[in-house]
Amino acid sequence: QKEVEQDPGPLSVPEGAIVSLNCTYSNSAFQYFMWYRQYSRKGPELLMYTYSSGNKEDGRFTAQVDKSSKYISLFIRDSQPSDSATYLCAFLFLGGTSYGKLTFGQGTILTVHP
Amino acid sequence: GAVVSQHPSRVICKSGTSVKIECRSLDFQATTMFWYRQFPKQSLMLMATSNEGSKATYEQGVEKDKFLINHASLTLSTLTVTSAHPEDSSFYICSANGGTTNYEQYFGPGTRLTVT
Repeated sequence: QKEVEQDPGPLSVPEGAIVSLNCTYSNSAFQYFMWYRQYSRKGPELLMYTYSSGNKEDGRFTAQVDKSSKYISLFIRDSQPSDSATYLCAFLFLGGTSYGKLTFGQGTILTVHP
Repeated sequence: GAVVSQHPSRVICKSGTSVKIECRSLDFQATTMFWYRQFPKQSLMLMATSNEGSKATYEQGVEKDKFLINHASLTLSTLTVTSAHPEDSSFYICSANGGTTNYEQYFGPGTRLTVT
């Protein structure tokens, strides 16, 4: 079983749609749950992070974590063409020899068309 | 916000030669830097973790003698791909940790390496 599984997509949605991006994980030691956005041929940028179960909202973005089910989601409301990118879930464990190392999902390519 | 730069952004080299990629934290001191490799339409694969002043820790399957990492200062880490082969062609991305939090990594823009 892979440590992280991300819905591969790709996703293509019309402008204004609500987008749902999802990841499951198996390592219960993960402490931080993150979403990165990566535009083509660029480095990833941190969109949101959280460390507890529940929802965290930032503008049009909502990060959701369910630790009991080992499931995280990112929702994008009122999606815009500028949201078109690859979205990567990432997990962080701050301990032992893995200190600071991020474990990434495979990425979901999102296209929002006008 | 914290900025990480990489140089060069794109490099083409001949098979058998060595290439050095620089990663710099521009406005903060990076105690730890990470090097990733990314193939087209795939996720980032961690190659190694480097701490300033000490030897890098390589992930399983990554050849230490082929991918030389040096973290000589708190703002600079370098990755040297030695005796490059076409299969080393990839997108190499560094990240740096060292801001006010333990969890936040700031990524560079990446370096596209093509070995002919």
